[in-house]
Amino acid sequence: NAGVTQTPKFRVLKTGQSMTLLCAQDMNHEYMYWYRQDPGMGLRLIHYSVGEGTTAKGEVPDGYNVSRLKKQNFLLGLESAAPSQTSVYFCASSYSRDRGPLHFGPGTRLTVT
Amino acid sequence: RKEVEQDPGPFNVPEGATVAFNCTYSNSASQSFFWYRQDCRKEPKLLMSVYSSGNEDGRFTAQLNRASQYISLLIRDSKLSDSATYLCVVNEGTGGFKTIFGAGTRLFVKA
Repeated sequence: NAGVTQTPKFRVLKTGQSMTLLCAQDMNHEYMYWYRQDPGMGLRLIHYSVGEGTTAKGEVPDGYNVSRLKKQNFLLGLESAAPSQTSVYFCASSYSRDRGPLHFGPGTRLTVT
Repeated sequence: RKEVEQDPGPFNVPEGATVAFNCTYSNSASQSFFWYRQDCRKEPKLLMSVYSSGNEDGRFTAQLNRASQYISLLIRDSKLSDSATYLCVVNEGTGGFKTIFGAGTRLFVKA
């Protein structure tokens, strides 16, 4: 039981480049999330999904897109990377929308130069 | 005012000490509460849920005060391995979906 996995672990992009971060979970959770974490700030929600085929905007969605074509996978895309998107990105999943704890992946460290 | 506020610390304590962290939240309709632990450059991991009646797990005790809108975490007999950042997390559950993370309190336990 791998839990939540993320690929890649590290990436360096130049401004304007695009990339996709992949998140996979094997816990059969309906709900999946993408967060970013910056120094001195709490985790901020980018986008989330309440089930296969659904996505919704979180607190800081601008510059990102997501897709949930399969229940176990949640993809985060950056179409044109900017230095402000330098951050650590965490994917998470949960069994309950309002009350359940989150299970996080190991994170992706992204640097945009 | 931040929605979830924590003392950033750092807290520097010797092994064996008792240390307490507090967290305040702004939305009185918040429904569920958690403490997560995050080690340096790692993902957050659930430490414990926080219930109205208070709950204990070994050396860790969590309490919730809804009237004052604060949550606490008490660590007794600190170990070196307790060194980490502790995140206070609040689910607002107001019909939409909103989980709010505090910025975390850093703890260093020294020999």
